[in-house]
Amino acid sequence: EAGVAQSPRYKIIEKRQSVAFWCNPISGHATLYWYQQILGQGPKLLIQFQNNGVVDDSQLPKDRFSAERLKGVDSTLKIQPAKLEDSAVYLCASSLASWGPDTQYFGPGTRLTVL
Amino acid sequence: AQKITQTQPGMFVQEKEAVTLDCTYDTSDPSYGLFWYKQPSSGEMIFLIYQGSYDQQNATEGRYSLNFQKARKSANLVISASQLGDSAMYFCAMREGNSGYALNFGKGTSLLVTP
Repeated sequence: EAGVAQSPRYKIIEKRQSVAFWCNPISGHATLYWYQQILGQGPKLLIQFQNNGVVDDSQLPKDRFSAERLKGVDSTLKIQPAKLEDSAVYLCASSLASWGPDTQYFGPGTRLTVL
Repeated sequence: AQKITQTQPGMFVQEKEAVTLDCTYDTSDPSYGLFWYKQPSSGEMIFLIYQGSYDQQNATEGRYSLNFQKARKSANLVISASQLGDSAMYFCAMREGNSGYALNFGKGTSLLVTP
């Protein structure tokens, strides 16, 4: 079974530029999460989708970040304009959202550097 | 308030020895799940083990076991017979509620296994 796919793996941009990340979850997983992991910290949730609806985006900086999950499968996360403090690894995860562990499986992440 | 606390920024262990990584949590929800993830230098978050709040027995997965002490709100990870490949960051995480909710992560513990 294929895991969570993310691209690109690395991205370097200058501040005030825009950037987009793509995620393809595990087939059949209804729930998709985007996390931000700043160096030296644990991941922090940015946004959670259930199918193509937003469940939680309370920690998403909506003035610059946006995300969508068209057709309830792939998702894109966009930053416009980027700030220096956005330098981080952006992790996508997916889960079945069923009873029990509902384990989240993570992709390899996109490492963003904002200069 | 921090929901997951990992007090050990870094740990050393000799190959073939056992090591315990500490994790305490804070929640008032009676239903929750506790997870441990491993993050090698490649960056991907690898699921290790899960403990549900209603589980009577401590979880085990191969060389990983979870020492769950509900009254003390602790969920320590025990790695037996450490291997060089166990060197990585280890994150404790909690999901409040039954399923379909995001994870709250601790700051992580860096484990170095020495020959």
